[in-house]
Amino acid sequence: EVQLVQSGAEVKKPGESLKISCKGSGYSFTSYWIGWVRQMPGKGLEWMGIIDPRDSDTIYSPSFQGQVTMSTDKSINTAYLHWSSLKASDTAMYYCARRWISDAFDIWGQGTVVTVS
Amino acid sequence: QSVLTQSPSASGTPGQRVTISCYGTSSNIGSNYVYWYQQLPGTAPKLLIYRNNQRPSGIPDRFSGSKSGTSASLAISGLRSEDETDYYCAAWDDSLRGYVFGTGTKVTVL
Repeated sequence: EVQLVQSGAEVKKPGESLKISCKGSGYSFTSYWIGWVRQMPGKGLEWMGIIDPRDSDTIYSPSFQGQVTMSTDKSINTAYLHWSSLKASDTAMYYCARRWISDAFDIWGQGTVVTVS
Repeated sequence: QSVLTQSPSASGTPGQRVTISCYGTSSNIGSNYVYWYQQLPGTAPKLLIYRNNQRPSGIPDRFSGSKSGTSASLAISGLRSEDETDYYCAAWDDSLRGYVFGTGTKVTVL
């Protein structure tokens, strides 16, 4: 089964660092870019950026450039999203998703809730 | 950040056809493919339509997509109670050099 499994919920304080993960299985992890999407409580979807697991090439949304860092470890089929200094406004659900044909995201992780308080 | 505009809500009775619109610009919908996602409460989004009007395997043909100029539409025919949820359009934006989502439409089955 093709799937993305994300790490569990996190509760952090402002100023702390955090790295959440997204592990792919059931397909060739390096053949598809991985995207990250934020959903703040009660709000819509926001595209944060995408990363190519083959060479870690990245494209960040202007809104998130400099705020987060995407990375991958292709040896363990895992993508990461990292914050160096969390803010209360980072409280949200974060999804990873596989970029399939063109820019369609066909497989999604279950989401990771991040609470900063 | 949403640069694609959707009406906040749409509704219909079971069996009816409901259409959701998504309005963009020449830098996104006007020059790139449109995608549609369904998000059931408490779950991750699900791809419904890709490349304007293509359905992934497993998506019923009750869902159809179209695009004209700088706008796109998702139609749900034979509306069912399980269709009551949120729908988002999306497209690549050449100016922003990024993917943009619509503001989202909540569909209610009366």
